[in-house]
Amino acid sequence: DQQVKQNSPSLSVQEGRISILNCDYTNSMFDYFLWYKKYPAEGPTFLISISSIKDKNEDGRFTVFLNKSAKHLSLHIVPSQPGDSAVYFCAARGGGSYIPTFGRGTSLIVHP
Amino acid sequence: EPEVTQTPSHQVTQMGQEVILRCVPISNHLYFYWYRQILGQKVEFLVSFYNNEISEKSEIFDDQFSVERPDGSNFTLKIRSTKLEDSAMYFCASSARMGITDTQYFGPGTRLTVL
Repeated sequence: DQQVKQNSPSLSVQEGRISILNCDYTNSMFDYFLWYKKYPAEGPTFLISISSIKDKNEDGRFTVFLNKSAKHLSLHIVPSQPGDSAVYFCAARGGGSYIPTFGRGTSLIVHP
Repeated sequence: EPEVTQTPSHQVTQMGQEVILRCVPISNHLYFYWYRQILGQKVEFLVSFYNNEISEKSEIFDDQFSVERPDGSNFTLKIRSTKLEDSAMYFCASSARMGITDTQYFGPGTRLTVL
């Protein structure tokens, strides 16, 4: 039962270009969405979030877009840097629970 | 910057043995969590803990699992009789509050290998 889906297991991007990571969800009770970044041998680190009352949230090079009607969100990284190479997890909360439901992650590789 | 720490980083055990995974949450945090990630799978919630009680648990967290805060700093996950399918990365996390916008901070994880 995948309530949060990240359909691309990996993504390869050239340094300086835009990285777009996608996430779909099925549970309409979700109302808060998060992106985590994970380097090897480290735990997930919170990156950026968005509430369902917004459709965009920006933090420096990172922007998250939310399309509630499509139950879709995306993370844009502009410009991409080699240090952004990591696994990115999409997560969602809601329906009375503060516990995030995670997707399987997308491995981003940014080539110099 | 304060961080969540976990020990050991890697634990190898025989099937049927008990294991205890240890975590030191961020010192002023009140809410504690365990998650696991089986290789290639998603991060899955196991249990949350507040005020010396389990506040929420998933269906994965059955009678083989228990959590404890034995003193003011440690938070432990015990697996009573390990199975092969318990092999996974176990992450501890903590947060100052438990609200919709509150951030959980994760430790580096313990890789548990059950042989």
